[in-house]
Formats: sequence, C-alpha cells, structure tokens
Amino acid sequence: EAGVAQSPRYKIIEKRQSVAFWCNPISGHATLYWYQQILGQGPKLLIQFQNNGVVDDSQLPKDRFSAERLKGVDSTLKIQPAKLEDSAVYLCASTPGGAVEAFFGQGTRLTVV
Amino acid sequence: GENVEQHPSTLSVQEGDSAVIKCTYSDSASNYFPWYKQELGKRPQLIIDIRSNVGEKKDQRIAVTLNKTAKHFSLHITETQPEDSAVYFCAAPGGGGKLIFGQGTELSVKP
Repeated sequence: EAGVAQSPRYKIIEKRQSVAFWCNPISGHATLYWYQQILGQGPKLLIQFQNNGVVDDSQLPKDRFSAERLKGVDSTLKIQPAKLEDSAVYLCASTPGGAVEAFFGQGTRLTVV
Repeated sequence: GENVEQHPSTLSVQEGDSAVIKCTYSDSASNYFPWYKQELGKRPQLIIDIRSNVGEKKDQRIAVTLNKTAKHFSLHITETQPEDSAVYFCAAPGGGGKLIFGQGTELSVKP
C-alpha cells in the first residue's frame, strides 16, 4: 500500500514570499489533515478535511495560510506572505475516517530566511 | 476543545531500564488514545493505541494504560534499547475526529 506522499521535501524562501505544499493521501482515505510541527514541539493541527469539505480550520492563520482539497483527494497548503515564524515541518496525514490510526507523510521542511 | 498535556519533555534512561511517559486530556468524551514515535528527521508512526473500553494494552515491550476517571494515559517501555531513542507523542481526539497531540517526550536510551 502506497503511503502519504508530500512534496517538496525541503523549501527555503525569503520572508514575504509565497510557498505551496502538496499532499497525496492514501487511496480511499476520506480524512486529510495538515499539521505544523515547529522544532521541539508536537504537531499542531492547521486544518482537517473530510473529502473536499473543511471540518476544522480554527487553528489556521487565515490571513496568510490557505488550503484546498478540490476533488477530495490531493490537497495543497499555501502560505502568502511567509513570516520567519512559519519555519517548521508541515506534515500531511490521512485516515479512512473516525478514531483510527493517522498515517503521516514525510513532511515538508520549510525555512523562512 | 481538547487539550493534551504530556510529561516529561525529556527522559534519559540506561539500556535495559523502563521508561514511562504520561499524558492527560481534558475531553471526557475522548475514546481513542494513540502513541506515535518520531525518529529524527522522519515521520511520526503509530506504535500502539488504546480505546476507552479497555484499561491496558500490551505489545511486546510496549504497553499503554488508561485511567478514564482521572483522564490520563501512559506509555510504558520495558527493557529499553538504544533504538527506542526517539521523540514520543501521545494524542487524543478533539471534536470532529481531529487528533490533538501532546508536546512530545524526547527519550534517550544510553548504552
């Protein structure tokens, strides 16, 4: 079974630039999450999708972050404009739905300079 | 919403000793409690989970205990080995099925 795919693996940008991350969840998984993991901390949920609808985006800084999952499969997370404090690993995870194991992608390590 | 507190933040043990990591949660409706292991530079991976209808679950050297009354659950690793060195995260479900993670425990097993 293929896992959760994310790209790019690494990205370095200057502050005020924009960046986009891509995630392809495990086939058939209805629920998709984007987490932000700052060095030394636990993953913080940014947004949760159920198919192509947003379930929870209460922790998403909507003035600069946006995410979509148009066809209920792949998802993109965008930051515009980036700030220094956005430097983190952005993890995508998926589940079939409900209280079950979440499968994580390798993450995208973003460095804002 | 759900709040998950995890302690300690760092833990150092000698090889062969036991390690215990504790988490507390706030939402009494939570019914699923997973533990993830994250090695340096890698993705978090599930190592064990427990549902609210049981008090303990074991898988070889790893066990998890759950106290629903006190709203806390713990990860126990016995006979620790150097390859157990990693960051461990507990999690609990918030509303809508989202997973809320603890702050993590960096476990170091010294040979």
